Amino acid sequence: GAVVSQHPSRVICKSGTSVKIECRSLDFQATTMFWYRQFPKKSLMLMATSNEGSKATYEQGVEKDKFLINHASLTLSTLTVTSAHPEDSSFYICSASATSYEQYFGPGTRLTVT
Amino acid sequence: RKEVEQDPGPFNVPEGATVAFNCTYSNSASQSFFWYRQDCRKEPKLLMSVYSSGNEDGRFTAQLNRASQYISLLIRDSKLSDSATYLCVVNGGSYQLTFGKGTKLSVIP
Repeated sequence: GAVVSQHPSRVICKSGTSVKIECRSLDFQATTMFWYRQFPKKSLMLMATSNEGSKATYEQGVEKDKFLINHASLTLSTLTVTSAHPEDSSFYICSASATSYEQYFGPGTRLTVT
Repeated sequence: RKEVEQDPGPFNVPEGATVAFNCTYSNSASQSFFWYRQDCRKEPKLLMSVYSSGNEDGRFTAQLNRASQYISLLIRDSKLSDSATYLCVVNGGSYQLTFGKGTKLSVIP
């Protein structure tokens, strides 16, 4: 149990375009979902926390107008990278949690902005 | 001081060796602790939770010292498949996890 999927697994886009990444909890209802970013050889950094039906809480330094998060249901959250730049190229990972104890991670989305 | 600190390694050990990883955390109010494993270009996967009394899962033993704010992971009889980056993770409350940068382990035949 506790499976989280992400789509797409890999995306290449041009500068200035927007990219949407989906995160789904397949076999449980996630009250909270998290979006992380990981640059090469760096630790995961939390970008934002979202609860179903409410606005996401962004970490300091993360632009909410650039990284749009929608947590429309208890099984789906989306992250949209708007007006992507090459420096947005990274590994984006979501996680989902039904309790405050454990988080289950999606397989990640590798974004390359050319 | 960084919130969660780990020796980045790499640790290169022969098969069958015992290897220990250490981690320190700065938030004394942290409530729960974990070791995650991350393979190259993959998502982190929970290896084990860490309890105050110490806990063991097969070849893996985790220990927590709250007074010293120190967590450890011991791997016995290392296998080639243990090669990965091991992340020390601390939950400071309110769902949020803080990750260390990870310690890279390479088990050599």
